[in-house]
Parts: sequence; C-alpha cells; structure tokens
Amino acid sequence: QVQLQESGPGLVKPSETLSLTCTVSGGSISTSYWSWIRQPPGKGLEWIGYIYYSGSANYNPSLKSRVTISVDTSKNQFSLKVSSVTAADTAVYYCARGSREWLLDYWGQGTLVTVSS
Amino acid sequence: NFMLTQPHSVSESPGKTVTISCTRSSGSIASNYVHWFQQRPGSSPTTVIYEDYQRPSGVPDRFSGSIDSSSNSASLTISGLKTEDEADYYCQSYDSINVFGGGTKLTVL
Repeated sequence: QVQLQESGPGLVKPSETLSLTCTVSGGSISTSYWSWIRQPPGKGLEWIGYIYYSGSANYNPSLKSRVTISVDTSKNQFSLKVSSVTAADTAVYYCARGSREWLLDYWGQGTLVTVSS
Repeated sequence: NFMLTQPHSVSESPGKTVTISCTRSSGSIASNYVHWFQQRPGSSPTTVIYEDYQRPSGVPDRFSGSIDSSSNSASLTISGLKTEDEADYYCQSYDSINVFGGGTKLTVL
C-alpha cells in the first residue's frame, strides 16, 4: 500500500518561497504521476501540477509562473516550490499519486502552510 | 480550459437517495473521465468513483457514477443514505490539466 507524507515549514513570510517535500513509502516513485493539490481553509480543491517520474512536469496555468515541481528518485521523494507567496497561498497542501495523468488514487494527509509575517 | 460546476449543497434523509451533479462548461463531458472524491472534515479526499462509474474496492455499491451527454454533466448517486455519508464531494476531470469542481456539501438529516 503506497503511503505519502508531506513535510516542510508550516509558516512562510510573504514574498518568500514555499517549499514542501512528499516522501513516498510502500512503493517506488519510479512509476506513476505525482501531484500537488491545495485547499485554502474552508474552500475547495485546486490542482497545482504533477511530475512524471522521468521528470516531465505539467502545471496549472493559473500558478505556472510561480510553481516548480521536482522529483528525486534516489530518495523516493518529490517536491513543490511556490515563489513570491501571498496570503492567498495559505492552504492545506496535499501530495498525491496517480497511476495515470487523470487519476489521484493515493493522497497524503496534508500539511497546513500559513503565509504571514 | 473548462470548469466543473457543482451545487453548493444538498441534503436528504437517511435511507433516501441523493444525486450530485457536475456540469462541464466547455468541451464534452464524455471526452475525459470524471472522478468523484469524498472528503470528511479534517481528512484527505478519498476516491468513491473513478473513470466515470468505477468503484474502488471497499466503496459500497450504494455509490454510483454516470455521464449524461445531453446535459454535459456527470452525476454521483448515493442510495440508502447513511449519516456517515455526510461529507463534501468533489468531481474532477482531466483535459491537459486536472480540474476540480467547487465541491458539494452533503447533509444527511
């Protein structure tokens, strides 16, 4: 059973870069699509983007200019960076796996990131 | 790109049947798979329907999915409602990017 665990700072200052890592256990990262999704408090889900294990990425156009997703197969991890954050980036951030581009079949528990000075 | 529109909330009594719609704004709903997630408060979303009508193992057959090309919408139907079904439900589809519906709060009262 694949398990995913997000980690990273829970507080980021405005204009700085948000950085999160998702560690995959119970399976190899060298297959499948690996996504980031976020959910502002009390609001709905927003897909941020995915990376294929080979390194090719696909981003939500609304965030593309500020987002980078990378993969480290040696550590079975993938990461998210969001630059120039504002309060609007405050959200629970989830990582997820999809066996196809259109699937999100395993999710992490999520981590709350607050943007505040 | 397209949007997926869901009703903000629905409510029904235990034992009844409820249907949640998900309407695609442009392009055909039948062109790309639709998936449905259940999210209980404080928890991560879990899949209840994938690829239009498939149920993951462990999801009861009270949950079913369908596509209606005439209304360009997908539907999640939950029959024999239980209080444990009370949750937020999201539809999702992929057409070059993944798109989520705004979510529907289901109240079972």
